[in-house]
Amino acid sequence: EPEVTQTPSHQVTQMGQEVILRCVPISNHLYFYWYRQILGQKVEFLVSFYNNEISEKSEIFDDQFSVERPDGSNFTLKIRSTKLEDSAMYFCASSVSGIIWEQYFGPGTRLTVT
Amino acid sequence: KNEVEQSPQNLTAQEGEFITINCSYSVGISALHWLQQHPGGGIVSLFMLSSGKKKHGRLIATINIQEKHSSLHITASHPRDSAVYICAVGHGNKLVFGAGTILRVKS
Repeated sequence: EPEVTQTPSHQVTQMGQEVILRCVPISNHLYFYWYRQILGQKVEFLVSFYNNEISEKSEIFDDQFSVERPDGSNFTLKIRSTKLEDSAMYFCASSVSGIIWEQYFGPGTRLTVT
Repeated sequence: KNEVEQSPQNLTAQEGEFITINCSYSVGISALHWLQQHPGGGIVSLFMLSSGKKKHGRLIATINIQEKHSSLHITASHPRDSAVYICAVGHGNKLVFGAGTILRVKS
C-alpha cells in the first residue's frame, strides 16, 4: 500500500540554525500539508499546498517558514532560523483532492531545538 | 473557545465495552475526519464524513450537520484499540483539530 514517507525521523539542531524537513507524498496525490504537534498538545495546521502554491496557511506559518516541491516528488518544509518553541513533531500529509478526501499522514519528524 | 471540542478527554474501558467519543464544532465545515494516533505518534485516518454514518469493522462514525456534532463508536472494544482519537474538521483548505480523547482499554 502506498505511504507517505518523511526524513529524517529525528532532527536535533541549535537555535538559529536552518532546518529542512523532507516528505515524499503518495504519487497520485495533489494536495500536501504540514502539521505540527508540540509535545502534549493537539495537532496544529501549518500550511496546505496545491498546484505549486500555498492554498492556506496558519498564523504559525510566518516568514520563518517556507514550503517547496522542488522536483515533483519531494515536499519540503524549511524553517530559516529555528527557535526553542519550534521543537515539535512535524507531520506531512497528502490527499487525492483536498480536505474532503482522506488524508494520509507520514510518520513524522521529531525536531528538537537546543 | 476552541472551534472543535471533544469529550471525554480521557476514557478507560474494560475489554468488550461499547465506547462513544463525541465531537462538537462551531465552524462551517466541508468534512469531518476521525483520526487515530498510536502511542508511537503515528496518525492514521479512520473516517472522513460529510453526512450520515460510516462503518468499518467495529468502528462506526456518525455526523449531524444541523447540530454540528459527530460521534465515534467502538463496539466490542479491545486493548489494541488503546490510542488517542482525534476529531478534525475541514474548514477552507485546512483541518482544525480537537485536543483528542485518550482511550485505554483494559483486559
